[in-house]
This record gives sequence, C-alpha cells and structure tokens, in this order.
Amino acid sequence: ETAVFQTPNYHVTQVGNEVSFNCKQTLGHDTMYWYKQDSKKLLKIMFSYNNKQLIVNETVPRRFSPQSSDKAHLNLRIKSVEPEDSAVYLCASSYSYEQYFGPGTRLTVL
Amino acid sequence: GDSVTQKQGQVTLSEDDFLFINCTYSTTTYPTLLWYVQYPGQGPQLLLKVTTANNKGISRGFEATYDKGTTSFHLQKASVQESDSAVYFCALVRTGGYKVVFGSGTRLLVSP
Repeated sequence: ETAVFQTPNYHVTQVGNEVSFNCKQTLGHDTMYWYKQDSKKLLKIMFSYNNKQLIVNETVPRRFSPQSSDKAHLNLRIKSVEPEDSAVYLCASSYSYEQYFGPGTRLTVL
Repeated sequence: GDSVTQKQGQVTLSEDDFLFINCTYSTTTYPTLLWYVQYPGQGPQLLLKVTTANNKGISRGFEATYDKGTTSFHLQKASVQESDSAVYFCALVRTGGYKVVFGSGTRLLVSP
C-alpha cells in the first residue's frame, strides 16, 4: 500500500515532557512536510524537507526539531511541550504541487 | 507574500442544495489554484486544481473556475449530499513551486 503513515495516532502528555512523532511515506516522493492544525482547523506549515535537506523552516519555537534519516522518513521532536502545542500534527509528502497527507497525530498537553 | 482568504467559516445546507464556497487569493505570480477536502479523522486530500492555462477544474461533481480579474476561485456543487460534509480548503502554489499556501478552511455541514 502506498500512502503516508504516521505514528502514534494520539498522544497525551504533561507540560515539560518530550515527545516524538514519526512519519513514513511509500509514495517515492522527494519532499516531505510537517503541518500543525489547530482546533479551528487552521493549517500552518512548520517544516519542509527535500531529499533529507531542510528547505523550509517557518517561525516555530526552538523546542520543535525535525529529523530526516532518508527521503521516506520525517520525524518531529518536541523537547519540552507547552499547552499551546496541543494540536493535530500532519505529515505530508509531494512530488509537485499535490501534497499527500497522513491521518495526523493528535497531541494533547495537560 | 501569497495569501488565500476564505471568509465563510461554516456553511450549513440540506441535501440537494446548491453549494458555493467563496475563495479569493493574492499573489504576484501565476499560481496553480487548489481545493483540498478534509473528512473527519483524515488528512486533507486534493479535490481539484486549476492552472492559468485551463481556467476550470472539475472533480466528483465539484467545480471551480479561476477568475484572474476578481482573483477568485470559488467552489461550487449543484447538489450536495450528506457525505460531502467535510472541511474544504482553498490553496495556491506558485507554478513550478512546492510550498502550498492554505486558506483558513470552510466547514460544510449537510443534513439529510
């Protein structure tokens, strides 16, 4: 099956903890993204990688750090979560203008 | 910079009603214009696209026409179904580019 896969589906944690999210795409695309979607469904791009190279790094807090081991994998680490980090984190990949999204990881920070 | 505006936060219709979702954009380049749809529990997926070359996109009964004069790209459907209930995002990408600029989304609720 070719798609974008994300783990975990949900994660509940407390303020100050570290969390990591994983994303894998089997579509053969060169570019991958992380988006944050808030409770009002607003989509905000955070990072973009092309062939393991960071090409877009929007203004996000320094506690967020992406990591790419190869062009099919893109992970996201949050070093010390804050309440405002509660959101759905969406991973996507693309070969041109069409982006293919995963189902997202819902993070709840207590 | 590039921007996309969706003024309707939510649209509520009954089955077989006509759908119209407003979208306007601002860019200094020739964009490719996109509509994405996000069903509950899923990520957004591409519904249709329009380039400056073909002016209109049609998919699954939805259509959108690119109007350079009014810089608009409204989404329409003649007769909605309950299964169309979702969030619809208007977006643009610079021709040849990869960074997509999304609008704020419009939630469509269709009652049977």
